[in-house]
Amino acid sequence: AQSVAQPEDQVNVAEGNPLTVKCTYSVSGNPYLFWYVQYPNRGLQFLLKYITGDNLVKGSYGFEAEFNKSQTSFHLKKPSALVSDSALYFCAVKLSGSARQLTFGSGTQLTVLP
Amino acid sequence: DAGVIQSPRHEVTEMGQEVTLRCKPISGHNSLFWYRQTMMRGLELLIYFNNNVPIDDSGMPEDRFSAKMPNASFSTLKIQPSEPRDSAVYFCASSSPGQRATNEKLFFGSGTQLSVL
Repeated sequence: AQSVAQPEDQVNVAEGNPLTVKCTYSVSGNPYLFWYVQYPNRGLQFLLKYITGDNLVKGSYGFEAEFNKSQTSFHLKKPSALVSDSALYFCAVKLSGSARQLTFGSGTQLTVLP
Repeated sequence: DAGVIQSPRHEVTEMGQEVTLRCKPISGHNSLFWYRQTMMRGLELLIYFNNNVPIDDSGMPEDRFSAKMPNASFSTLKIQPSEPRDSAVYFCASSSPGQRATNEKLFFGSGTQLSVL
């Protein structure tokens, strides 16, 4: 089985401050981990992924995420938030080598306040 | 590249009516996915196709839902008869064969907002 949890429904941060959106996962083996972003009235857009290798993954729009195997986490981060980063963020996981498709988290609404 | 194209963007219908949602994947992509998004249940995978063949339809809620992919450039999701609890945003996504077997990078359409009254 595979699952992912996003413990925060809502994250508020001031513009210019660092942001973190949390994600923890559960799989019975090595994970593939992803972050997607959804802007209002749009479909999800791929941000970044961890497959193997360096635990720190850099993605689009200045976002990055760190894979932590011991804590089974894959938190999304950005050093300096922009108002335009306000959106719904989804973490997703799948078991490497598995034919199963992605399992998405419930999403975290990020609001960056000017 | 026009991206994944879905139609209609909005659909309002009455309970009991047939609803057909349409999707055109990105040219060259060989995998297509139908998702449903609601506040209560989040993002759910309904069905996905590889090379026009349905691979996993275990997420399809019930027999009222059916999906087809007659060719590589077109897919439909049909609900017959529709019910108010089917109200949701339905997304189509596609992925490239270059991603190997993982299909891990999905390209989503803008979705169809379905309201069943």
